[in-house]
Amino acid sequence: NAGVTQTPKFQVLKTGQSMTLQCAQDMNHNSMYWYRQDPGMGLRLIYYSASEGTTDKGEVPNGYNVSRLNKREFSLRLESAAPSQTSVYFCASSLDRLDGYTFGSGTRLTVV
Amino acid sequence: QKEVEQNSGPLSVPEGAIASLNCTYSDRGSQSFFWYRQYSGKSPELIMFIYSNGDKEDGRFTAQLNKASQYVSLLIRDSQPSDSATYLCAVTNTGNQFYFGTGTSLTVIP
Repeated sequence: NAGVTQTPKFQVLKTGQSMTLQCAQDMNHNSMYWYRQDPGMGLRLIYYSASEGTTDKGEVPNGYNVSRLNKREFSLRLESAAPSQTSVYFCASSLDRLDGYTFGSGTRLTVV
Repeated sequence: QKEVEQNSGPLSVPEGAIASLNCTYSDRGSQSFFWYRQYSGKSPELIMFIYSNGDKEDGRFTAQLNKASQYVSLLIRDSQPSDSATYLCAVTNTGNQFYFGTGTSLTVIP
């Protein structure tokens, strides 16, 4: 049972490049989330999808887009990467909106 | 005021002692409370959740909730070096928003 799988684990981008972070869960969870974690800032919600077919902005959505491709997959896209987007990105899922999360292993992104 | 506040630490306790981690929250109507453990370089892992006032025990871990004081704590009994990690408090508020604290770093000294 893989849980939540994120790819890639590490990525270095140049300013202005684009990329998509992939996330898939095999727990039949309804809700999926993208967070970023920065030193001293804690986990901050970028976007979430409460159920298949819906997406909503979180606390820090600027510069990001998401797609809930199906119940299993939720991707995060950076259209034009900026150094301020250097961070560790976590995908998470939960059965319902107010349940505890299962996190993926994270993507460490550096934008130079 | 932040939704969830934690003392960043570091908190150091000797092996075998009780570690006490604290968290306060601002929304009096908050409903669900969670504790996550995060080892350095790893993802957060859910260890406890509590919904009602009082204590909830799971092995060496006890979560305590006091809604009147807007306070939730995590006690770790018989602390082990493997408990050394950052502990994140998370709360769901009345707007169905989920907020994390910035975490408390715990070191258990052998």
